[in-house]
Amino acid sequence: GAGVSQSPRYKVAKRGQDVALRCDPISGHVSLFWYQQALGQGPEFLTYFQNEAQLDKSGLPSDRFFAERPEGSVSTLKIQRTQQEDSAVYLCASSLRVGQPQHFGDGTRLSIL
Amino acid sequence: DQQVKQNSPSLSVQEGRISILNCDYTNSMFDYFLWYKKYPAEGPTFLISISSIKDKNEDGRFTVFLNKSAKHLSLHIVPSQPGDSAVYFCAASARNYGGSQGNLIFGKGTKLSVKP
Repeated sequence: GAGVSQSPRYKVAKRGQDVALRCDPISGHVSLFWYQQALGQGPEFLTYFQNEAQLDKSGLPSDRFFAERPEGSVSTLKIQRTQQEDSAVYLCASSLRVGQPQHFGDGTRLSIL
Repeated sequence: DQQVKQNSPSLSVQEGRISILNCDYTNSMFDYFLWYKKYPAEGPTFLISISSIKDKNEDGRFTVFLNKSAKHLSLHIVPSQPGDSAVYFCAASARNYGGSQGNLIFGKGTKLSVKP
């Protein structure tokens, strides 16, 4: 597709379960970002990839959060032992390179019961 | 401490009139600013951007103004249309400073309602 694709759109999990969120960026985009958006707030940065290299993970809230982009295209954000405060919309964005406008997917709404 | 602030949670404008959305920032290292539009259940859509070397950028009905001395930017939409009703986010990044990867710092958004 032409845009950033994220799946699943909605995910409900019980507290303590592991979840995996997928992002398929725009073809050819080198830079990939993950953001977390809580209700009524703007997106907050989690982590950044340039191709397959994770260059910045300073926004990840805890070591339960892990992201990868092994072949420099599709990325997966994994959350282990989920907690209620992990409930949020997780947005993925890609850009042609650093410094260019980022284009967002529609996000995954994660609800932890 | 919020580095990007949108102090108006909401704005209501009549169709055909001008909409002005405001944004303030505190970090003088920011050198690139963007506006995004967001409909419910969708991701933010890029609207327009401006580099800190400019004070104005225009794209059709959308114009962004940057006042670096005041650390303030605004988005003007003229004329406003009912389809412009959405939440607008201001975002900033520090593209050209060592260690920055261009990640965006967002404001909390302003909900614009354009009434027919």
